[in-house]
Amino acid sequence: NAGVTQTPKFQVLKTGQSMTLQCAQDMNHEYMSWYRQDPGMGLRLIHYSVGAGITDQGEVPNGYNVSRSTTEDFPLRLLSAAPSQTSVYFCASSRTGPGGGNQPQHFGDGTRLSIL
Amino acid sequence: GQQLNQSPQSMFIQEGEDVSMNCTSSSIFNTWLWYKQEPGEGPVLLIALYKAGELTSNGRLTAQFGITRKDSFLNISASIPSDVGIYFCAGRAETSGSRLTFGEGTQLTVNP
Repeated sequence: NAGVTQTPKFQVLKTGQSMTLQCAQDMNHEYMSWYRQDPGMGLRLIHYSVGAGITDQGEVPNGYNVSRSTTEDFPLRLLSAAPSQTSVYFCASSRTGPGGGNQPQHFGDGTRLSIL
Repeated sequence: GQQLNQSPQSMFIQEGEDVSMNCTSSSIFNTWLWYKQEPGEGPVLLIALYKAGELTSNGRLTAQFGITRKDSFLNISASIPSDVGIYFCAGRAETSGSRLTFGEGTQLTVNP
């Protein structure tokens, strides 16, 4: 039972570098999302996807790109890392939207990203 | 965007005490969720609420969807040391489609 798997768990980047945070789920969930968690600010939605080929912006999308070519994978790309993107990033999935029916939203264990 | 105010920000209690925390929103919500997060892990869903007035329990945890649809409460009875963690409320506003908004979290410390 892998659930939601995020890689890497930790990463340090220099300003201006690019990287991709990986997220994979093995539960055949349609809905996937990316959040960032900063001290005292809870979780903020970056991007989300309601199914393969469909993505949309969340609350804080600037500086991030996503794609959803398969149901299982939902990578998050930082095109040119900035210190303000230092955060803990969580990927989540659910069978439907997070408020739909009784389907819980499953979270990965997070990626801790530091931008120097 | 949507605003969720969660209080208190932190709580320090003795083992065996009851705990209560709440969230209020600036808009009408049609879904309320309560999560717990432990260090180094992602949030784990505790309780989901979908109807105004709904009262749902999960073991020693009880949560309610406020009648006004702008608030929700989580109570923990007879706290134990493993209740330590950060508790988040999250909700979906009527106007936000499938997007969730999270509260800032309540850090709970339980002293044995």
